Amino acid sequence: KQEVTQIPAALSVPEGENLVLNCSFTDSAIYNLQWFRQDPGKGLTSLLLIQSSQREQTSGRLNASLDKSSGRSTLYIAASQPGDSATYLCAVSLGRLTFGEGTQLTVNP
Amino acid sequence: GAVVSQHPSWVICKSGTSVKIECRSLDFQATTMFWYRQFPKQSLMLMATSNEGSKATYEQGVEKDKFLINHASLTLSTLTVTSAHPEDSSFYICSARSGTGGFGDYGYTFGSGTRLTVV
Repeated sequence: KQEVTQIPAALSVPEGENLVLNCSFTDSAIYNLQWFRQDPGKGLTSLLLIQSSQREQTSGRLNASLDKSSGRSTLYIAASQPGDSATYLCAVSLGRLTFGEGTQLTVNP
Repeated sequence: GAVVSQHPSWVICKSGTSVKIECRSLDFQATTMFWYRQFPKQSLMLMATSNEGSKATYEQGVEKDKFLINHASLTLSTLTVTSAHPEDSSFYICSARSGTGGFGDYGYTFGSGTRLTVV
C-alpha cells in the first residue's frame, strides 16, 4: 500500500526566504507526482506535475524535483511571499491519487 | 487549462434530508471523476471513483447507499448525500483526471469544494 509522508507538517518563515518542502513515498511504481496548494476552505490548485520519467519541473518561483528510485520529491519556493501562505499537498498517482498529510506554510510579512 | 466546477460551494440542510453536489468538467471530457471528503486539518480521503456510464467504485468503509454517485455524462458527476446526519458534515471535493496520452501525462484537476453542514 502506497504511503506518502510530508515533512515538515508546519513551517513559518519570514518573507523573502527560500524554502524546501519534502515529500516521500513508499512505492516507486508511480505514473506521476503532483504538488497542490490548498487555501483554507477551498479546493486544490495544481502547482506542478512531474511525470515519472522526469526529474524536475519549474513554474515561476516554484521548482519541484522527483527522485523516483529513492521515493522522494521536494518543492522549492524561492523568495517566499505572504501570499504563498497555504497548505501544500503532494500526491502520487498510480491511476488514483494518494495524498500526503500536507505542510502548512505561513509566510510572515 | 482544465477546469472543474463544483456546486454548491456551501450548503446547510436539516437532518434527514438529502443533498446533491454537482461536479462538472468545463473544457474537457472526464470519463473518470473522484469524490473526496476532508475533515478539518486533515488530508483528503478518497470516497469513490465515478466512471461515466457505469457504477461507481466505493472505497472500503464508505456506505454506497448513503453516498449516491451518478456519472451520467462525460462532463457531469453528482454526489447525493441521502438522509444526512450531523456526522456527515464535512468538506467534499471532486476531481477529474485531465490530459491526454499515457497515464504519466494525466494530472488531476479539483473542484472548489462543498462545505456541508447538517443541523
